[in-house]
Amino acid sequence: EVQLQQSGAELGKPGTSVKLSCKVSGYNIRNTYMHWVNQRPGKGLEWIGRIDPANGNTIYAEKFKSKATLTADTSSNTAYMQLSQLKSDDTAIYFCAMDWEEPFAYWGQGTLVTVSS
Amino acid sequence: DIQMTQSPSSLPASLGERVTISCRASQGISNNLNWYQQKPDGTIKPLIYYTSNLQSGVPSRFSGSGSGTDYSLTISSLEPEDFAMYYCQQDASFPRTFGGGTKLELK
Repeated sequence: EVQLQQSGAELGKPGTSVKLSCKVSGYNIRNTYMHWVNQRPGKGLEWIGRIDPANGNTIYAEKFKSKATLTADTSSNTAYMQLSQLKSDDTAIYFCAMDWEEPFAYWGQGTLVTVSS
Repeated sequence: DIQMTQSPSSLPASLGERVTISCRASQGISNNLNWYQQKPDGTIKPLIYYTSNLQSGVPSRFSGSGSGTDYSLTISSLEPEDFAMYYCQQDASFPRTFGGGTKLELK
């Protein structure tokens, strides 16, 4: 059974960075793409970007190019997203999702990031 | 970027009712349209991919259709667990974009 387990809630101060993780079990992430999506309080879903863990190639939504950095560690089957220069507007739930035979076939449970001084 | 417009944003409905949610893309997306359900606890479940293909384990009361720029999700007979948020998403091009969501509520 494929499962995506995300790291716990983060509280970050403005101007700092946080690094979220998404550990995959039941499937080798080398063989797929990993996406990150956010959801601001009371809002809809917003795609941040995608990484190909096999080669580290990334694609970002324009607004996240200087905000998010996607990486992956195939030895631990884990995808990561670092959010830099945190602002209050970055307060959101962040989801990882994995393509399988279908796009966005599996989702993590989400990680709440709260930005506050 | 391709803009996805969902309607209605809120849909009051009764158990057993048939409902349809619409999704319109700002340009043609060649059936590259997916649907997701988000429960109140935040859990996101994929429902349909490539317009009309049910994800594994999704009940057959869910169906999808459409082409070009216009797509829809239909639930043939509402069950209690169907009251949730629904999002469409295009994966025809980058950036992937989602509709604004439809809240399916009990009337």
